[in-house]
Amino acid sequence: QVKLVESGGGVVQPGRSLTLSCAASRLSFGNHGLHWVRQAPGTGLEWVAHISPDGTYESLTDSVKGRFTVSRDTWKNMFYLQLNSLRPEDTAVYYCARGREGGSLDYWGRGTLVTVSS
Amino acid sequence: SYVLTQAPSVSVAPGKTAAITCAGDNIGGESVHWYQQRPGQAPVLVICDDNDRPSGIPERFSGSKSANTATLTISSVEAGDEADYYCQVLDTNSDHRLFGGGTKLTVL
Repeated sequence: QVKLVESGGGVVQPGRSLTLSCAASRLSFGNHGLHWVRQAPGTGLEWVAHISPDGTYESLTDSVKGRFTVSRDTWKNMFYLQLNSLRPEDTAVYYCARGREGGSLDYWGRGTLVTVSS
Repeated sequence: SYVLTQAPSVSVAPGKTAAITCAGDNIGGESVHWYQQRPGQAPVLVICDDNDRPSGIPERFSGSKSANTATLTISSVEAGDEADYYCQVLDTNSDHRLFGGGTKLTVL
């Protein structure tokens, strides 16, 4: 069964950092862009970040630019989201997802909860 | 910035047809994708590229578009279709993916 599994979430104080990881099993990342999408409690989906198949290009939503970075390790079939200078409004379930040609996201993980609170 | 607008909720009786809309300026020129999210679960891609169904998605799910509105149609609605549904496009200017606000489908 194809799976994406996120890890690294938890409770963190404002201003601190966290690293989220996404691991794939029975699913190839190699030729696909990879994405992070978050969902704050009781709200809708918000796209956060994308990294290109070769890892040379990333894009981030405006509210996290300068604070979050995305990276990937193709050999390990893993990718990451580094969250710095966290704010309470970053509290959300963070999902990793694989991108398709045309812009859709075809495989998603179950998500990991990040809570930013003092 | 580009905005996708969805009605907050839609209700439909079992066996009937549900239409969930997504409005956006010139959305007819974009590829539109749709996701289903059941309570407590991750989103699932149900329609990609306007009207393609990924493997395993029932034929009851279909997509269509006009100039400024995309529509997800679910025919012969079942209790298990009760979920939140999100439309999504790629903003080619920013290379960002954009989601609509979501529509909660209630099966009466």
